[in-house]
Amino acid sequence: GENVEQHPSTLSVQEGDSAVIKCTYSDSASNYFPWYKQELGKGPQLIIDIRSNVGEKKDQRIAVTLNKTAKHFSLHITETQPEDSAVYFCAAGNTGFQKLVFGTGTRLLVSP
Amino acid sequence: KAGVTQTPRYLIKTRGQQVTLSCSPISGHRSVSWYQQTPGQGLQFLFEYFSETQRNKGNFPGRFSGRQFSNSRSEMNVSTLELGDSALYLCASSLSDNEQFFGPGTRLTVL
Repeated sequence: GENVEQHPSTLSVQEGDSAVIKCTYSDSASNYFPWYKQELGKGPQLIIDIRSNVGEKKDQRIAVTLNKTAKHFSLHITETQPEDSAVYFCAAGNTGFQKLVFGTGTRLLVSP
Repeated sequence: KAGVTQTPRYLIKTRGQQVTLSCSPISGHRSVSWYQQTPGQGLQFLFEYFSETQRNKGNFPGRFSGRQFSNSRSEMNVSTLELGDSALYLCASSLSDNEQFFGPGTRLTVL
């Protein structure tokens, strides 16, 4: 079955810096890759996603890139702010199947 | 539009008991998925329901079951609770392919 690895497990940056989180997946049939942000005491919040027919997607300060050949995808957050501090999860899925396989999470801390 | 709601938010049970958790999806969403989140195993898929039918199932024992009603609300049940069932149980609803929106979860503690 699908396996998703996520790195790093923790990431500390200064406010205004960029943050990059990387994930790799194992199943070449996966074609949907969402990113979630989870704050303490809350459920995961979908922040951006990308499908395998696209190499890059951007939404304001957040961007995601996908390399299908290497089976890896990354989340890029620019101009980080303290409110970006949270745990971020990547996931992989397949169109038509609602099962998502999640990475182990990255705890991002943005210091003022 | 209201988000995904889950009840109860917190629950304490003892080993051997059973528990039922409820999830109301976003209005118009017909797919409901359930996940278990623990510090050790992370987020793991339990099952997914669409139009009252289970479409996908994860690798959990038969003690974990679910159902979906005609109004798309879903319940999951865990029988014969074990200490290792302590977790945050998350429900996610979906309108279109794959995009899943999560509720706040139910924190289950088994003593």
